[in-house]
Amino acid sequence: GAGVSQTPSNKVTEKGKYVELRCDPISGHTALYWYRQSLGQGPEFLIYFQGTGAADDSGLPNDRFFAVRPEGSVSTLKIQRTERGDSAVYLCASSLGSTGGSEQFFGPGTRLTVL
Amino acid sequence: DAKTTQPTSMDCAEGRAANLPCNHSTISGNEYVYWYRQIHSQGPQYIIHGLKNNETNEMASLIITEDRKSSTLILPHATLRDTAVYYCIVRVYQAAGNKLTFGGGTRVLVKP
Repeated sequence: GAGVSQTPSNKVTEKGKYVELRCDPISGHTALYWYRQSLGQGPEFLIYFQGTGAADDSGLPNDRFFAVRPEGSVSTLKIQRTERGDSAVYLCASSLGSTGGSEQFFGPGTRLTVL
Repeated sequence: DAKTTQPTSMDCAEGRAANLPCNHSTISGNEYVYWYRQIHSQGPQYIIHGLKNNETNEMASLIITEDRKSSTLILPHATLRDTAVYYCIVRVYQAAGNKLTFGGGTRVLVKP
């Protein structure tokens, strides 16, 4: 079946602009995670959704970052007033949640470059 | 979650077994050992997890020491496609809501 998909695969923007990154989880997965990966490092947790609600947003670096999941499936990560330090690969993952195992399935990521 | 220590990199020969060590000396009784890998330009991929018994699946085997302070991931017959960064992660098992805390991982290069 289809895995986790993320769009766009690449996004280049200018400092100060607003960007939206989209994640389509595996159908039926109630848990959704966003991670950020800088060059040469492991992914870092940003936020976790269970259904429509953000159950843990402790990894969001500041209030420029915001994520939504209005219908409990697709999620959008929104970054306001982008900075060069926001350049990274943004990864989305989903898991079955309370109905199954905890294995997280990752998408291919969106590479964000802020000029 | 307990911290893990892995070698930064290792090489292995194609067709031979690759043994990837991980130290997790502060692991708690309810924490599992998970392994993920990340092939270049892809998202991480789940490999295997275990609590205290050795585990095997179609991808790999996981050997956990009796005191649970360390473990070894074994790729029985490494192929060039196994070249990736391998992450050992320790976390409490639950169905959801438990984020993965990645360290630096081990960069494995499988050579012909």
